[in-house]
Amino acid sequence: SYELTQPLSVSVALGQTAKISCGGNNIGGRNVCWYQQETGQAPILVMYRDSHRPSGIPERFSGSNSWNTATLTISRAQAGDEADYYCQVWDTSTVVFGGGTKLTVL
Amino acid sequence: QVQLQESGPGLVKPSQTLSLTCTVSGGSVISGSYCWNWIRQPAGKGLEWIGRICTSGSTNYNPSLKSRVSISVDTSKNQFSLHLSSVTAADTAVYYCARDPGSAWYFVLWGRGTLVTVSS
Repeated sequence: SYELTQPLSVSVALGQTAKISCGGNNIGGRNVCWYQQETGQAPILVMYRDSHRPSGIPERFSGSNSWNTATLTISRAQAGDEADYYCQVWDTSTVVFGGGTKLTVL
Repeated sequence: QVQLQESGPGLVKPSQTLSLTCTVSGGSVISGSYCWNWIRQPAGKGLEWIGRICTSGSTNYNPSLKSRVSISVDTSKNQFSLHLSSVTAADTAVYYCARDPGSAWYFVLWGRGTLVTVSS
């Protein structure tokens, strides 16, 4: 079965740029999406089809996907960006989530 | 504005069947080309997709749960339901319902989630 690998944690200084990676075999050939989940809340879609932002998601959020790594980039990080982030793909009629990355804004 | 709301027992005994319902408000469960999903999350852990049912009637299930899972739609109540049989403590989680656009498997619309504990 297909697997997605994310770092357990990423830290970023306030106002700086955070990059959260999602590794998978030839993930560049798949559509990747990203979710933000604050503690006790349902996930929110922040990126789909690699680099498309849903309505209401700030332009500070961007995505890329190439070869074996997809990346969610958060520019000018704010305290409110502190959350868990999950990548997700679909594969042969099933959905796969990454293990999640905790983003800490220092 | 379409909203989703999960409901069902918060406590289920081991070996029994977990049954949850997701009520769709502000829209119809049979309109468009959407698919209706169940996703769960054990405390402190990541997300796990359980399965989905589409307006076409087709279903897809997580291979690891397929033998125990059934998802159905009740058009008269504008709801869709999850049934997970032979539960164990490992099935204790927050269960979310969510909608995908049908043409792609990502989840824009989510319910708030409901905690189900499996315990005797």
